Amino acid sequence: GAVVSQHPSRVICKSGTSVKIECRSLDFQATTMFWYRQFPKQSLMLMATSNEGSKATYEQGVEKDKFLINHASLTLSTLTVTSAHPEDSSFYICSAPMRGTREQYFGPGTRLTVT
Amino acid sequence: RKEVEQDPGPFNVPEGATVAFNCTYSNSASQSFFWYRQDCRKEPKLLMSVYSSGNEDGRFTAQLNRASQYISLLIRDSKLSDSATYLCVVNGEYGNKLVFGAGTILRVKS
Repeated sequence: GAVVSQHPSRVICKSGTSVKIECRSLDFQATTMFWYRQFPKQSLMLMATSNEGSKATYEQGVEKDKFLINHASLTLSTLTVTSAHPEDSSFYICSAPMRGTREQYFGPGTRLTVT
Repeated sequence: RKEVEQDPGPFNVPEGATVAFNCTYSNSASQSFFWYRQDCRKEPKLLMSVYSSGNEDGRFTAQLNRASQYISLLIRDSKLSDSATYLCVVNGEYGNKLVFGAGTILRVKS
């Protein structure tokens, strides 16, 4: 099946620093990728839609200046959490739909801990 | 009202049991429906898409009732390895956006 990778899988950073998370579609091209966040015992919440070659679309309540998204190629989207705070600690997951289908494939997630 | 609602469970069942989960969705314009499985601290994995005619994959059967806006998942002959959180997922108002239910926890015990 389709494979989506994420890097890093786990990161611990200090408050005030920035963290970049990469999401790659390994065997298919993705003009659109999605970024989700999941807090413990809660469901996935869509943060933003990453569009190749254009600006990302953010969900209501998600600060675009804090969560910078770049979709520079058909196989790579990056999420940068800027000036991270402890409340940003969460499980960040990306997904990409296989072109021509409505099914989405998820990366393995990145667990961010901000101290 | 949440867009996708599920009974959080947990459902505790013995091995070999049959268990059913239901899910309701609020957006009548939704066109795509899925069940995903999520293991603890892992990413969701697609279990099966749900079609209007219903579909079966081994021990798993999914049904869609558009009139009542609910989706079901039936697991027969439960295995210990079926223990996970099952997420009901519906496409949102626009394109490929997915809306996730909070998930139903299944625990299969020997």
